[in-house]
Amino acid sequence: EVQLVESGGGLVQPGRSLKLSCAASGFTFSNYYMAWVRQAPKKGLEWVATISTSGSRTYYPDSVKGRFTISRDNAKSSLYLQMNSLKSEDTATYYCARQGYGSYLYNWFAYWGQGTLVTVSS
Amino acid sequence: DTVLTQSPALAVSPGERVSISCRASEGVNSYMHWYQQKPGQQPKLLIYKASNLASGVPARFSGSGSGTDFTLTIDPVEADDTATYFCQQSWNDPPTFGGGTKLELK
Repeated sequence: EVQLVESGGGLVQPGRSLKLSCAASGFTFSNYYMAWVRQAPKKGLEWVATISTSGSRTYYPDSVKGRFTISRDNAKSSLYLQMNSLKSEDTATYYCARQGYGSYLYNWFAYWGQGTLVTVSS
Repeated sequence: DTVLTQSPALAVSPGERVSISCRASEGVNSYMHWYQQKPGQQPKLLIYKASNLASGVPARFSGSGSGTDFTLTIDPVEADDTATYFCQQSWNDPPTFGGGTKLELK
């Protein structure tokens, strides 16, 4: 059974940093692209970052590019999201997701974790 | 970015058939996917690449469409289907989601 368990969320002041983690199990982690998707309170879903199987390629939307960094440790079956210069609009539940077969585009989010809440407020 | 437009809400009775639409601002080939999100839960993949049923999803769910117009159909609807349904495209960069359609049971 695929399991994705996020951690690291919490309350953080604007301008500060936070690092999220996702522990994966139930599949061969190193074989799949992984991603982060967020959902602001009572809002829709927004893709945040994707990383290739080896970690050599990363992808971000303009809203977080230059502030967020996705990384992975295949030996530990773990995914990370380093978030810097946080803004109030980054407040959301952050989901770790395993993508389907293939690469960054032409792909889908096959499995999702339960999410971790990040609140950016002074 | 590709904008995906969904109706905000629908209300149907158990046993009926419901179609949830998603319109893209530009063509996405067949790379449209559907997710179900129940209150307080994470999203769950239902349909990938327009018409492919994800593992473990009941055959009551089906998807159709190509280009810019896509439909998720539930037939028959059950009480447990109360949820918000999101479409997502991955043909154009960046991947984008629709605003979601909240399905309520009468």
